Amino acid sequence: EAGVAQSPRYKIIEKRQSVAFWCNPISGHATLYWYQQILGQGPKLLIQFQNNGVVDDSQLPKDRFSAERLKGVDSTLKIQPAKLEDSAVYLCASSFIGDIQYFGAGTRLSVL
Amino acid sequence: AQSVTQLDSQVPVFEEAPVELRCNYSSSVSVYLFWYVQYPNQGLQLLLKYLSGSTLVESINGFEAEFNKSQTSFHLRKPSVHISDTAEYFCAVSDRGANNLFFGTGTRLTVIP
Repeated sequence: EAGVAQSPRYKIIEKRQSVAFWCNPISGHATLYWYQQILGQGPKLLIQFQNNGVVDDSQLPKDRFSAERLKGVDSTLKIQPAKLEDSAVYLCASSFIGDIQYFGAGTRLSVL
Repeated sequence: AQSVTQLDSQVPVFEEAPVELRCNYSSSVSVYLFWYVQYPNQGLQLLLKYLSGSTLVESINGFEAEFNKSQTSFHLRKPSVHISDTAEYFCAVSDRGANNLFFGTGTRLTVIP
């Protein structure tokens, strides 16, 4: 069974630039999550989708972060413009509704 | 509000020795508890979970954790560690099944040959 796919694995940008991350969840998983994991901290939920609707985006910095899941499958997380403090690993996870979350390998973002 | 405290940021232990990784939580409602493991350059993998029933839960690779409601703890233990257990371990709590996970800051377990 294919797992959660994320790309790119690494990204280096300068502050004030834009960046986008892509996630392909496990087939059939209706729920998709984006987490931010800053070095030395645990993952923090940014946004949760169920199919193509947003369930929880209370911790998403909406002035610079946006996410979409237009067809209820793939998802894209964007940062525009990036700040130094956005340097982190961005993890995508998916699950059946109410079930265990499965995580991708993440995208490591460095903002210089 | 929920929170998770992992008291030890790093735990070095010799191969074949026992280990305990501590996790304490706070929650005002019913809790569901999880341990995830993260190997270098990989995503998080579920190690074990407590949703209901027996307070002692086990994983397939020899780890176990016990839900202690009075102590608000969910410590992870293994009687004999292997080199391959070297990884970061995260404790997480939820008040809605497997959704809405709040993670601790992680404990880096290093197994010394």
